[in-house]
Amino acid sequence: AQTVTQSQPEMSVQEAETVTLSCTYDTSESDYYLFWYKQPPSRQMILVIRQEAYKQQNATENRFSVNFQKAAKSFSLKISDSQLGDAAMYFCAYRRSGGSNYKLTFGKGTLLTVNP
Amino acid sequence: DGGITQSPKYLFRKEGQNVTLSCEQNLNHDAMYWYRQDPGQGLRLIYYSQIVNDFQKGDIAEGYSVSREKKESFPLTVTSAQKNPTAFYLCASSITGFGNEKLFFGSGTQLSVL
Repeated sequence: AQTVTQSQPEMSVQEAETVTLSCTYDTSESDYYLFWYKQPPSRQMILVIRQEAYKQQNATENRFSVNFQKAAKSFSLKISDSQLGDAAMYFCAYRRSGGSNYKLTFGKGTLLTVNP
Repeated sequence: DGGITQSPKYLFRKEGQNVTLSCEQNLNHDAMYWYRQDPGQGLRLIYYSQIVNDFQKGDIAEGYSVSREKKESFPLTVTSAQKNPTAFYLCASSITGFGNEKLFFGSGTQLSVL
């Protein structure tokens, strides 16, 4: 079974600084998808960024970028120029490709605090 | 505006009672999901439906039931067999249920036991 591990329960960053959230996963599949979701205090889940395993290029979305290391099964999220609105719980998630691939497996989350 | 509506926002259950959480979407999505979130835990899949009148169990389906009679609606019933129902419940949908599709989430229902 696939597992997703976020080893940092909590992280903090100063406003305008850069922070990296870690995520590792375990899978025997060669093709799959990885996601970072954000859950602010409103508790609404919001997609931050996604990566296809077959793409070597790391995904970027404005201030958010990932470092995808397929061999190491690592998928970290970098937030640049952190803003107060980035404060939230961040979840890493995995979904395999092909077949009955409906299931999105989530990590336990990292709570990010942004200090003014 | 298109989106997913969950109701109620807060729900209380008495011992031995079944309660139903509502989830409605107007995004014309085929796939719908129910997730449970406990403090300090990630989201765990309860049930999934990719098409009307069909659904599959997720990782923690025991004590729950669902129906998918309409494309727009995917209600979740928490039965008396679910001994630890206190949690935050999130409904989600996506276009087809495959690939790198983005999941659209509702705002959730907090269920507590009286």
